[in-house]
Amino acid sequence: EDKVVQSPLSLVVHEGDTVTLNCSYEVTNFRSLLWYKQEKKAPTFLFMLTSSGIEKKSGRLSSILDKKELFSILNITATQTGDSAVYLCAVDLISGTYKYIFGTGTRLKVLA
Amino acid sequence: GAVVSQHPSWVICKSGTSVKIECRSLDFQATTMFWYRQFPKQSLMLMATSNEGSKATYEQGVEKDKFLINHASLTLSTLTVTSAHPEDSSFYICSARVALAGWGEQFFGPGTRLTVL
Repeated sequence: EDKVVQSPLSLVVHEGDTVTLNCSYEVTNFRSLLWYKQEKKAPTFLFMLTSSGIEKKSGRLSSILDKKELFSILNITATQTGDSAVYLCAVDLISGTYKYIFGTGTRLKVLA
Repeated sequence: GAVVSQHPSWVICKSGTSVKIECRSLDFQATTMFWYRQFPKQSLMLMATSNEGSKATYEQGVEKDKFLINHASLTLSTLTVTSAHPEDSSFYICSARVALAGWGEQFFGPGTRLTVL
């Protein structure tokens, strides 16, 4: 059974801290891994990763994929209260329906 | 960028009634739309995959007679929760996939919060 697991489940940090969120997966027919940020509503896209070892960056956020060890990390540096959200990892499968398998999510709270 | 809308954004209904939720891709054609549900403090769980002009594919454990999905056009899919009960209260999110060769990113709608009294 395809599975995506995130850790930690929740995290509380102070502004300015750096956090690392983990996503591991066991799936057949892997195509890509995606990171989303979810606040009150639907998820907003952060990154899509398809190749191992290539870091993607957007401002204070960065992410990298290891296809050999089957995991990805999402780093957030100099955290701000606006980073408080649930961070979701999803794996896109090569299948007839191109569906995503979502991880459990990591709930991040950044304190002022 | 690609925009997906959902209507309504929230709905409250009485137990036993049916509720229809619409998902529209506003500026692109979506060959495939996906319906998810999300319970409080939980992740998104895929309910079904809907392809334009054909029957939806439901995930294991999702009752197809309870959650009716219609994908009548390349820009509209609807989810009808029939004979809703309080346990159906949840956040329902749709996504639409842009049809490109071999793969397509999913774009998410803003979600519909359903409360069944």
